[in-house]
Amino acid sequence: AQSVTQLDSQVPVFEEAPVELRCNYSSSVSVYLFWYVQYPNQGLQLLLKYLSGSTLVKGINGFEAEFNKSQTSFHLRKPSVHISDTAEYFCAVTLNSGYSTLTFGKGTMLLVSP
Amino acid sequence: DGGITQSPKYLFRKEGQNVTLSCEQNLNHDAMYWYRQDPGQGLRLIYYSQIVNDFQKGDIAEGYSVSREKKESFPLTVTSAQKNPTAFYLCASRTGQGTEAFFGQGTRLTVV
Repeated sequence: AQSVTQLDSQVPVFEEAPVELRCNYSSSVSVYLFWYVQYPNQGLQLLLKYLSGSTLVKGINGFEAEFNKSQTSFHLRKPSVHISDTAEYFCAVTLNSGYSTLTFGKGTMLLVSP
Repeated sequence: DGGITQSPKYLFRKEGQNVTLSCEQNLNHDAMYWYRQDPGQGLRLIYYSQIVNDFQKGDIAEGYSVSREKKESFPLTVTSAQKNPTAFYLCASRTGQGTEAFFGQGTRLTVV
C-alpha cells in the first residue's frame, strides 16, 4: 500500500517570498503524484500532477514541483507567493499499475502575511 | 459546465438520525469516491465505486453506507452507528487509473 507524508502542518511566509511545501511518499511500485489546493469550505482543486516524463512539473498559479525518485519526494515550490495563496495544500499518490485509489497526506496550511 | 455537485452544502442532524448526502457528476466518470475531512487529518477514504452496482469499503467505512445505481450518482448515508459524524465530506470522481480526481464543493455535516 502507498502512503504520503507532508512534513509540515503549517508554513508561515511573507508575501513575495519563495516557499517550498514538502511531500514524501512510500510505495513499493511506481506511482503517480498530485498536488491539490483547498480554500476554506471548498473542495480540492488540482494544482499539478506527475505521471511520467520530465521530473519538473509546472502547474497553475505559478506553482511547480519536482519528482525525485531516489528520495521518494515531490516537493511543491513557488518563487514568490501572494496573499491569495493562503490555503491548505494536499499531496496525493496513486499506484501506476492495477487499480489504486488516491491516498492523501494530512495537508500543509500555507499562511501568507503582508 | 461539467462537474460534481454535492448537496446540501450545510447539514444539521440530530443524534440517532440517519442522513443522506448527495453527489452527482456529469463528467461521465466511471469511478466515484467519498472522503471525510477532519482538521489536521487530511482526507480519509470512506467508500469508492469503480462501476455501477459495485462499491468497496475504504479505510473508515464503519457507520456509513453507499449505493451506485446510476453512473452519475453516488449518495452517502451517515447512519446512527457512526460515532463521530460531524465532519466535512467530499465527493470525487475520476475516469480511471493514472488520472486526477475531480472534487465537489463538499458538505459540512454537524450533529446537534
